[in-house]
Amino acid sequence: QSVLTQPPSVSGAPGQRVTISCTGSSSNIGSNYYVHWYQQLPGTAPKLLIYSNTKRPSGVPDRFSGSKSGTSASLVISGLQAEDEADYYCQSFDSSLSGPVVFGGGTKLTVL
Amino acid sequence: QVQLQESGPGLVKPSETLSLTCSVSGGSISGYYWSWLRQSPGKGLEWIGYIYYGGSTNYNPSLKSRVTISVDASKKYFSLKLSSVTASDTAMYYCVRGNYYDSNAYIVFEDWGQGTLVTVSS
Repeated sequence: QSVLTQPPSVSGAPGQRVTISCTGSSSNIGSNYYVHWYQQLPGTAPKLLIYSNTKRPSGVPDRFSGSKSGTSASLVISGLQAEDEADYYCQSFDSSLSGPVVFGGGTKLTVL
Repeated sequence: QVQLQESGPGLVKPSETLSLTCSVSGGSISGYYWSWLRQSPGKGLEWIGYIYYGGSTNYNPSLKSRVTISVDASKKYFSLKLSSVTASDTAMYYCVRGNYYDSNAYIVFEDWGQGTLVTVSS
């Protein structure tokens, strides 16, 4: 199983807001290591979506936002659009024998 | 914008060595962490390892005994070798440019190749 835990799936209707969680532990997120998020559209390579918990690379719509608290992080997608249907992965640093690079298992977002 | 392109055999026999190359174009190879990640069919992302342009490496502990990543900075490509493969190594393999931000962010995977599917089968 993955070091970071994500829900396998979430869903929402167009225009709604959805949240994807990423839960870690004291050896990663809880030790103030930052979280990065990637979006993988069907049949394509992953793409950086959010880095360092809250920052958006150039070109990423501000509908996507990130936050972190304690041993967890969240990706929020507001104003859901059909083209947001994808898999989302969180990534962080881990100081245990599992690291240094660890990912969540991924969350499938379905736009209803 | 940097572009990365994976190349190598799409079929490898069990117990043999998987060898892939990633060519880098449109950007400098200096200052970055050139990485390999993979994704088994229907599964999540797994980090395999990285090589800094200067040559230092770091590998996933679960794969460390079988992985070698090398770089040829002058020719702007880096390579992956994974030995003693089994069916569980069947996956889409991505070459990725990683950027070190700071001690909290560590490495962010900024640019990805399109991926190459490698199947392990006799």
